[in-house]
Amino acid sequence: QITLKESGPMVMKPTQTLTLTCTFSGFSLTTSGVAVGWIRQPPGKALEWLAVIFWNGDERYAPSLKNRLTITKDTSKNQVVLTMTNMDLVDTATYFCSHSASGWPAAIFDSWGPGTLVSVSS
Amino acid sequence: SYVLTQPPSVSVAPRQTARISCGGNNIGSKSVRWYQQRPGQAPVLVVFDDSDRPSGIPERFSGSNAGNTATLTISRVEAGDEADYYCQVWDDSGDHRYVFGPGTKVTVL
Repeated sequence: QITLKESGPMVMKPTQTLTLTCTFSGFSLTTSGVAVGWIRQPPGKALEWLAVIFWNGDERYAPSLKNRLTITKDTSKNQVVLTMTNMDLVDTATYFCSHSASGWPAAIFDSWGPGTLVSVSS
Repeated sequence: SYVLTQPPSVSVAPRQTARISCGGNNIGSKSVRWYQQRPGQAPVLVVFDDSDRPSGIPERFSGSNAGNTATLTISRVEAGDEADYYCQVWDDSGDHRYVFGPGTKVTVL
């Protein structure tokens, strides 16, 4: 059974750097074809893809946020970390991590964590 | 950049059929995924590769994709199908990114 869970700060101030951790079980990021992605959803708005990291180390980022995002993996801990610099009020959202086993480079996000709400306020 | 369009809302009576469209330039050449998101919950993949269903998804959910429109069809709609539905594609041109549609709210009357 695949499970994922996001963790990180619930409240942040503008200009701070956000660090979110996705801790997962039921799969390994060393297995060929596997990936973990991050998607966010502002309150009442649509889903927005942020980043994905593949078993082979390939990283992809949303073009509009590429300069602010870094995604890394720690296969020994079964964790994926997303950092987002220079947080702003508009970055208030629920952040989800998700699993894919559909190969490279087109991930299919077939399992999701429950999400974590990050609020940015001055 | 690639843009997807969806109707904001669709209303359907129980046991009837709901059809949700997803428009995009030559979307028929791309692989479409559909996600269901109930209020306060994480999205659930209901269709991938245009028309395939993950295990555990009822056969009532089906998908099609041709030309500039992909469609998610929910047959014999139930109250539990009331949710937001998002289409999504992988755009392999230029920046290689994952694009979501704006979502459609399905209301069961």
